[in-house]
Amino acid sequence: GAVVSQHPSRVICKSGTSVKIECRSLDFQATTMFWYRQFPKQSLMLMATSNEGSKATYEQGVEKDKFLINHASLTLSTLTVTSAHPEDSSFYICSARDVTGLEQYFGPGTRLTVT
Amino acid sequence: GEDVEQSLFLSVREGDSSVINCTYTDSSSTYLYWYKQEPGAGLQLLTYIFSNMDMKQDQRLTVLLNKKDKHLSLRIADTQTGDSAIYFCAESLNNAGNMLTFGGGTRLMVKP
Repeated sequence: GAVVSQHPSRVICKSGTSVKIECRSLDFQATTMFWYRQFPKQSLMLMATSNEGSKATYEQGVEKDKFLINHASLTLSTLTVTSAHPEDSSFYICSARDVTGLEQYFGPGTRLTVT
Repeated sequence: GEDVEQSLFLSVREGDSSVINCTYTDSSSTYLYWYKQEPGAGLQLLTYIFSNMDMKQDQRLTVLLNKKDKHLSLRIADTQTGDSAIYFCAESLNNAGNMLTFGGGTRLMVKP
């Protein structure tokens, strides 16, 4: 089956620094990738939709200058949290949709802790 | 707007059946999904159903859809301790993914 990986699985960073999270589709090409944020004991919130080779589409309330998304290839999308703040601490999950668009495959998530 | 609701918690004994319920408000929903999330992990798609179907069965999983009442359920037969997880239902107007709306998740605890 289709596999989506995320790296790192856990990251701790200091306030004010930036951290990059990678999302890779390992055995398929993903024309579209999605970034979600999940707060403890809560559901997933879609942050942005990323299409290969074009600018990401951000959901209302998500700061595009703070959460930089790059989808440079059909197998890789990155989310960079800039000037991290403790309130950015969360579980970030990416998903990828293959070229057929029939299914969306989720990554294992990245737990970000900002101290 | 779209709204998807689930009960927060369900506890069952090993070997019993589990039924997780979900209600949604958007009658235009075309696809309805069930995802499983184990602790500290991402989401695993369990199954999905098209809105023109009433039921879908896949091994121990049975999905029932009552479109009139906008009610979706997931039944897990012979529930095992490994089924303990959070289960999310989600709806989509199409399969574009960016239109997915998730419920709040139901935490299933299976007691031995």
